[in-house]
Amino acid sequence: DAGVIQSPRHEVTEMGQEVTLRCKPISGHDYLFWYRQTMMRGLELLIYFNNNVPIDDSGMPEDRFSAKMPNASFSTLKIQPSEPRDSAVYFCASTWEGIKNIQYFGAGTRLSVL
Amino acid sequence: KQEVTQIPAALSVPEGENLVLNCSFTDSAIYNLQWFRQDPGKGLTSLLLIQSSQREQTSGRLNASLDKSSGRSTLYIAASQPGDSATYLCAVPLSGNTPLVFGKGTRLSVIA
Repeated sequence: DAGVIQSPRHEVTEMGQEVTLRCKPISGHDYLFWYRQTMMRGLELLIYFNNNVPIDDSGMPEDRFSAKMPNASFSTLKIQPSEPRDSAVYFCASTWEGIKNIQYFGAGTRLSVL
Repeated sequence: KQEVTQIPAALSVPEGENLVLNCSFTDSAIYNLQWFRQDPGKGLTSLLLIQSSQREQTSGRLNASLDKSSGRSTLYIAASQPGDSATYLCAVPLSGNTPLVFGKGTRLSVIA
């Protein structure tokens, strides 16, 4: 398997623009997590899904952030409108019930909002 | 609320030295504890996972210990090499297949 695939790897945008980050989990994994990493706060959970259903979105900073998982092989994290303070590295991770909490991480998307 | 702390934030050692990285957590009712490595600009690579019933795990030159009662874990790296230079993160889940709570990491530099 190719592992967790995230795209794009880098995104530079201007304040106010819409940004969409994408994630393809490992085939067969039924849990998907979105994390954000900043220098100040480290790695923090934004939202996670089980069987394509959002379970906990308490980490989503505000209404500008939304996440979807239309099927088992694809998830998106959207920021609209983007702000400079959203600049961070966004990671996606996946796992499945049989390997409790061994989460496999994608390479991340480095977002810069100017 | 679970909080994870890693000390020191940064560490620089000469090649060949043995070293210990520390991780502490506030809620001892953890499911397991995991150590990750992160290279600059890269994702996270899982190094070791210790189940709550275990005391330690070993992989090559790495040894991780867990003391749930005191809320502590250590990652021991033997005979450090320049290739070990990276940020090391520890993380605990709230339970089963739930999100990980991460420490902020220890940035290790091994000088040749």
